[in-house]
Amino acid sequence: DAGVTQSPTHLIKTRGQQVTLRCSPKSGHDTVSWYQQALGQGPQFIFQYYEEEERQRGNFPDRFSGHQFPNYSSELNVNALLLGDSALYLCASSAIQGDRNTEAFFGQGTRLTVV
Amino acid sequence: LAKTTQPISMDSYEGQEVNITCSHNNIATNDYITWYQQFPSQGPRFIIQGYKTKVTNEVASLFIPADRKSSTLSLPRVSLSDTAVYYCLVGALYGQNFVFGPGTRLSVLP
Repeated sequence: DAGVTQSPTHLIKTRGQQVTLRCSPKSGHDTVSWYQQALGQGPQFIFQYYEEEERQRGNFPDRFSGHQFPNYSSELNVNALLLGDSALYLCASSAIQGDRNTEAFFGQGTRLTVV
Repeated sequence: LAKTTQPISMDSYEGQEVNITCSHNNIATNDYITWYQQFPSQGPRFIIQGYKTKVTNEVASLFIPADRKSSTLSLPRVSLSDTAVYYCLVGALYGQNFVFGPGTRLSVLP
């Protein structure tokens, strides 16, 4: 089992550009969440996808958008990049069982640097 | 979403037991308590989850009092490799929208 895989591992973009990050969930998981982690801080929830729909969203602007595909993989898109978007972007997957989620498994993250 | 409060940092020595306490005064009835561990430049890793009383697995124990307004993560006989940031989280249904605080930075010294 490959666990949660994210690509690319590192990325450098210029301010104003657009970026797409990718995530493949752990086998058997159908829910994907994205987090942004700035240096020295805890991860901040961006949004969650389930059944190809955004179910919950954190306090992030519309420049942050996402998508989930029928195979449960997901993409995070960020438009009009700002220097402050530089961070580690984490993807977490889980499965919904009954009335709650199973434990979340996180990927290694994508380190985005905006210059 | 329930907010959590935990110490910013802790130091310990190899072989000691480490207890990290987390306060979550506004925990909801259907919230679970989950602890994650994170090493630098890696994603958080699930350690343990519980609802009430005591939960134990191969790496840690989680103690939750009856009022559930706090919880304590216990790491037995820590080693240098346990040096990491530990996050206490509360959440429930579709509970992936975790509110991560700054966590507790545990330093294990030789």
